[in-house]
Amino acid sequence: GESVGLHLPTLSVQEGDNSIINCAYSNSASDYFIWYKQESGKGPQFIIDIRSNMDKRQGQRVTVLLNKTVKHLSLQIAATQPGDSAVYFCAENTGGFKTIFGAGTRLFVKA
Amino acid sequence: GAVVSQHPSWVICKSGTSVKIECRSLDFQATTMFWYRQFPKQSLMLMATSNEGSKATYEQGVEKDKFLINHASLTLSTLTVTSAHPEDSSFYICSARENPGQGTYNSPLHFGNGTRLTVT
Repeated sequence: GESVGLHLPTLSVQEGDNSIINCAYSNSASDYFIWYKQESGKGPQFIIDIRSNMDKRQGQRVTVLLNKTVKHLSLQIAATQPGDSAVYFCAENTGGFKTIFGAGTRLFVKA
Repeated sequence: GAVVSQHPSWVICKSGTSVKIECRSLDFQATTMFWYRQFPKQSLMLMATSNEGSKATYEQGVEKDKFLINHASLTLSTLTVTSAHPEDSSFYICSARENPGQGTYNSPLHFGNGTRLTVT
């Protein structure tokens, strides 16, 4: 079936550095993309989203980039903090209202 | 903000018994809720879409008689794992989005905090 984010890498960064988490998606018809953060034992928490008619969107300390040509999403976290340590999932809306998740990336922030 | 509450947060049951998990939207109405399943160190897999007042829509490979879904009101969906077996042990998470404007579903899901099911 369709999938988003075909690998589960781990990213380790120093506190204060910037983090970049990448994701590949496979459904070229998807028109809405979301990044979620999941802490251990909890449900995913919304971070930022982007529609397919945009290629960049900024939030507080976070930026999402969308490259539809190569079907790639990235999440940039500025000045990474220990509280940012979590698993990050990209997700896409496919089939109208269903949200399909990628494999996720575990972010470790070293103090 | 929109809050989704899930209960219980964890449950241990014996093989062969059934377990019911509740998902409530606390401050908004949701005609549609989504149930996901997550194994350790894996992603969320969509199991089914719960539709208020009608039958749930199950993803390919998900047994509808095994995972009974009821969405009797605009704020409550329940997932019942029937005749549970150890392989059903998992983290079950529900979600919903505030009723979207006409013609678009492009808004994020709000998630409950999940239910850890352990079948012994």
